[in-house]
Amino acid sequence: GAVVSQHPSRVICKSGTSVKIECRSLDFQATTMFWYRQFPKQSLMLMATSNEGSKATYEQGVEKDKFLINHASLTLSTLTVTSAHPEDSSFYICSARVGDTEQFFGPGTRLTVL
Amino acid sequence: AQSVTQLDSQVPVFEEAPVELRCNYSSSVSVYLFWYVQYPNQGLQLLLKYLSGSTLVKGINGFEAEFNKSQTSFHLRKPSVHISDTAEYFCAVSDDFGNEKLTFGTGTRLTIIP
Repeated sequence: GAVVSQHPSRVICKSGTSVKIECRSLDFQATTMFWYRQFPKQSLMLMATSNEGSKATYEQGVEKDKFLINHASLTLSTLTVTSAHPEDSSFYICSARVGDTEQFFGPGTRLTVL
Repeated sequence: AQSVTQLDSQVPVFEEAPVELRCNYSSSVSVYLFWYVQYPNQGLQLLLKYLSGSTLVKGINGFEAEFNKSQTSFHLRKPSVHISDTAEYFCAVSDDFGNEKLTFGTGTRLTIIP
């Protein structure tokens, strides 16, 4: 099946710094990628939909200036958490859409903000 | 808007016993239904999906699910579980209008007891 990678898998940063997370589709082109956030023992919450070459569409309640998304190519989308704070600590997961219905998920990035 | 309810947050099952993980959804439109599995510190892997046609869907690792429109359910079953099935299982729904956003349930932690 299609493979989606994320880098880094884990990151620890100081409060106030920015962190960039990469999501890559390795063996296919993805016009649409999604970014999710998962708190411990909870479900995935969609943060935004990323379309190649256009601005991301953010879900209600997600600050677009804090969570910057760039989808510069058909195989790469990046999520930058700006001025991170401890409450931003979470598991961030991306997915890439193949066809009309199926999403392939990356392995996730665990962000810890000290 | 859609919603997904997974009533069982944790399900312990003895090895080689059958298991059913419950999923109910709410939607005002027709839906696609999915089951995903998440192993520790990993992203999600698709187990199976219902798009149309036969209401009994077979997936990977011996899992199957049955779509019941009248009961708005999509329960996941396996006749005989293995230790390797220990994981978190998420039910998800999207509408069939081409809006590919997935709405996830809160997950069910399946623990296999040797």
